[in-house]
Amino acid sequence: AQKITQTQPGMFVQEKEAVTLDCTYDTSDQSYGLFWYKQPSSGEMIFLIYQGSYDEQNATEGRYSLNFQKARKSANLVISASQLGDSAMYFCAMREPRSAGYALNFGKGTSLLVTP
Amino acid sequence: EPEVTQTPSHQVTQMGQEVILRCVPISNHLYFYWYRQILGQKVEFLVSFYNNEISEKSEIFDDQFSVERPDGSNFTLKIRSTKLEDSAMYFCASSGGTSYTGELFFGEGSRLTVL
Repeated sequence: AQKITQTQPGMFVQEKEAVTLDCTYDTSDQSYGLFWYKQPSSGEMIFLIYQGSYDEQNATEGRYSLNFQKARKSANLVISASQLGDSAMYFCAMREPRSAGYALNFGKGTSLLVTP
Repeated sequence: EPEVTQTPSHQVTQMGQEVILRCVPISNHLYFYWYRQILGQKVEFLVSFYNNEISEKSEIFDDQFSVERPDGSNFTLKIRSTKLEDSAMYFCASSGGTSYTGELFFGEGSRLTVL
């Protein structure tokens, strides 16, 4: 069963605008962690932001924020003031405590293109 | 800044050959991982390694795959007899945490092409 769902295969946004990348997840655990990674065309995986299931505040890291709605099981990434360098693939991931190896399970990703 | 390093960055091999991909995780990290990403697809979990043994593996990680930490710094993924469908980017990652809160730090990947 799909644990992480990213429904937007591709998104466009104009430079300096904000954009929201959707992520929904499926778990029966009460404790879990949610992550977003960026993968530019060069291929590396860059950690952006983390949200714990018990965190009461939405996570923020600079221009990145995570809109966490626990009841809806969604963890959308918001990028404010988009820059051309934000063009990349974005992956949502979840880690569940039941995972003996603390592995991250990734969604299929959203390709973001920032236009001038 | 500490980082995960992987070698080689790109390897081309013939079907049926053995391949070893190498990784040097961040030195004080405890958990080590291999992931793969077939071109244009999502990042898939292969295996996690802790305390010198496999702690979890996915269905992809069959008998053709093995991992080893031969010394205190290297972490290797071996594919015994490569198949065409093993062509992918292989990412090594490490994590310092022993809980679900720590992020994974990824290497830049090793691209494997099987001909």
